[in-house]
Amino acid sequence: DVKVTQSSRYLVKRTGEKVFLECVQDMDHENMFWYRQDPGLGLRLIYFSYDVKMKEKGDIPEGYSVSREKKERFSLILESASTNQTSMYLCASSSGHPAGREEQYFGPGTRLTVT
Amino acid sequence: AQSVTQLGSHVSVSEGALVLLRCNYSSSVPPYLFWYVQYPNQGLQLLLKYTSAATLVKGINGFEAEFKKSETSFHLTKPSAHMSDAAEYFCAVSVNSGYALNFGKGTSLLVTP
Repeated sequence: DVKVTQSSRYLVKRTGEKVFLECVQDMDHENMFWYRQDPGLGLRLIYFSYDVKMKEKGDIPEGYSVSREKKERFSLILESASTNQTSMYLCASSSGHPAGREEQYFGPGTRLTVT
Repeated sequence: AQSVTQLGSHVSVSEGALVLLRCNYSSSVPPYLFWYVQYPNQGLQLLLKYTSAATLVKGINGFEAEFKKSETSFHLTKPSAHMSDAAEYFCAVSVNSGYALNFGKGTSLLVTP
């Protein structure tokens, strides 16, 4: 059974803290993605990676960075958390190069609250 | 750039009634189209996808969608709604040369007894 796991389901952080969200997939997928989901806005792509150590900006990269040191792990970093980064964060992975026609598999999400 | 528009942020149907969730796409090249479902407090799960084979695509849980190029649509249907179908539904589009999906804003389906 394919699996994408995220390190936390719920997270509460204070403004200005550095926040790490971890994602691990066990499907040997080349591509990994970070989205944020907000009511009425759907899913918006923050960053994606199509190979180890490779990263591409998505639609809303400001205030975020990512790291992919191993194929199975993709980390999202909030350098200095702000209240407007309170959201649901979803990680996904897919196979294929390029990945346009392939299904993305999603983790359960991390609900981050920044106070 | 490719995009999708989901018509109706909330749809309510009675149990046993037809489910119709609308999605229109915009793409200058042949698109790949997807429908995902999200149950409360869960990630997204693929319902079905269109990748230029048959225009009528059957998915899981009795859902299907028809690709209509002339209407630039990919509407999701199910003949008879079940209470367990209550969820958020997302349409998404991509192209073969790309990596990422572009998602619609979602439609919340409510099923009433």
